Amino acid sequence: DSGVTQTPKHLITATGQRVTLRCSPRSGDLSVYWYQQSLDQGLQFLIQYYNGEERAKGNILERFSAQQFPDLHSELNLSSLELGDSALYFCASSVGSRDSTDTQYFGPGTRLTVL
Amino acid sequence: GIQVEQSPPDLILQEGANSTLRCNFSDSVNNLQWFHQNPWGQLINLFYIPSGTKQNGRLSATTVATERYSLLYISSSQTTDSGVYFCAGAKYGNKLVFGAGTILRVKS
Repeated sequence: DSGVTQTPKHLITATGQRVTLRCSPRSGDLSVYWYQQSLDQGLQFLIQYYNGEERAKGNILERFSAQQFPDLHSELNLSSLELGDSALYFCASSVGSRDSTDTQYFGPGTRLTVL
Repeated sequence: GIQVEQSPPDLILQEGANSTLRCNFSDSVNNLQWFHQNPWGQLINLFYIPSGTKQNGRLSATTVATERYSLLYISSSQTTDSGVYFCAGAKYGNKLVFGAGTILRVKS
């Protein structure tokens, strides 16, 4: 158990809908990361938050947005869902400081299926 | 951005055998990690190793930063080692770029 929690574990929804994935980082970690794992694209970095502020952005679609709250939990919002958004979404956390590198610990993931 | 190449793509071992997995980077990285994704999909951090050598039980890893590659050694493999092994790196910060993975199957 990495100490990172994600809810829900599974999510099945229809095209065009909107969903919210939730992540709680390990105790004491300030950075939260979101990754997407799909069969065709592999594991891809989406976005990082550090202590409530957006820190780095990857290949995140405009239909997707994220935020980190004062209690450091994070949410990833996916809207206007398409079949191709079906994937495993991981949240990771690290102790983090603004510019240093450190170990990322991954949550169990949320498996999203868009029908 | 950086490119990450892992080899071999697939590996089948008999229980008890040793193996070496390799990860090449197209550019220098300041952040390098190895992960194991188990059959249930969970990503488990194995090593944070931007340079040097580390060991953890039957696993060890070596990164030669100047030559932009890293190796993961698995000794005396067990069926529970099966899964996909990923390396990931970042040139700056923590924006990890993952390789395609090595699928390992250990047979009893």
